[in-house]
Amino acid sequence: KAGVTQTPRYLIKTRGQQVTLSCSPISGHRSVSWYQQTPGQGLQFLFEYFSETQRNKGNFPGRFSGRQFSNSRSEMNVSTLELGDSALYLCASSPRDRGTEAFFGQGTRLTVV
Amino acid sequence: AQSVTQLDSQVPVFEEAPVELRCNYSSSVSVYLFWYVQYPNQGLQLLLKYLSGSTLVESINGFEAEFNKSQTSFHLRKPSVHISDTAEYFCAVSEGVRGSTLGRLYFGRGTQLTVWP
Repeated sequence: KAGVTQTPRYLIKTRGQQVTLSCSPISGHRSVSWYQQTPGQGLQFLFEYFSETQRNKGNFPGRFSGRQFSNSRSEMNVSTLELGDSALYLCASSPRDRGTEAFFGQGTRLTVV
Repeated sequence: AQSVTQLDSQVPVFEEAPVELRCNYSSSVSVYLFWYVQYPNQGLQLLLKYLSGSTLVESINGFEAEFNKSQTSFHLRKPSVHISDTAEYFCAVSEGVRGSTLGRLYFGRGTQLTVWP
């Protein structure tokens, strides 16, 4: 069974641009969550989707948004990029409604210059 | 909201020595506890988890952790470490609601374990 797949693995963007990151969960998993990892703030929860609905959202500005498609694949978008958005963005999927275990992808390393 | 504290940001240890990585969380309401490991430029891999039942849980590679409800702790231990155990370790907590999690993990700041030959 394939794991959680995140694309792209690495990305360099300029301040003010926008970016879209993609996550394909493990087959059969319907819950997808996103986390931001930085040296200064550690791992912070962005949002969680289940059956195309956002169920939970962390404390991030509205520039950060996401969505989930009917096949459970998810995307997150960051608009008007700032230098502080440079981070490793991790996607995790869970096997069922409010699953008890999260499986993480390898992440997308975003660098904003 | 939960708060997770990993008391040591760095733990250096020699190969074959025992190690303990400490983790405390803020609330003793129904919680589920996890340890994840992260190697450089990689995502998080689940090491072990406590959901219910026996308070001592073990992983396949020799790590174990004990859930202590009264002390709100979930410390990770290994009796003899290998160089390949060098990585960053994260303790995580999710809150259970009616037997299910909320789907959100609260993470500690991580402990860098470095094993020297």
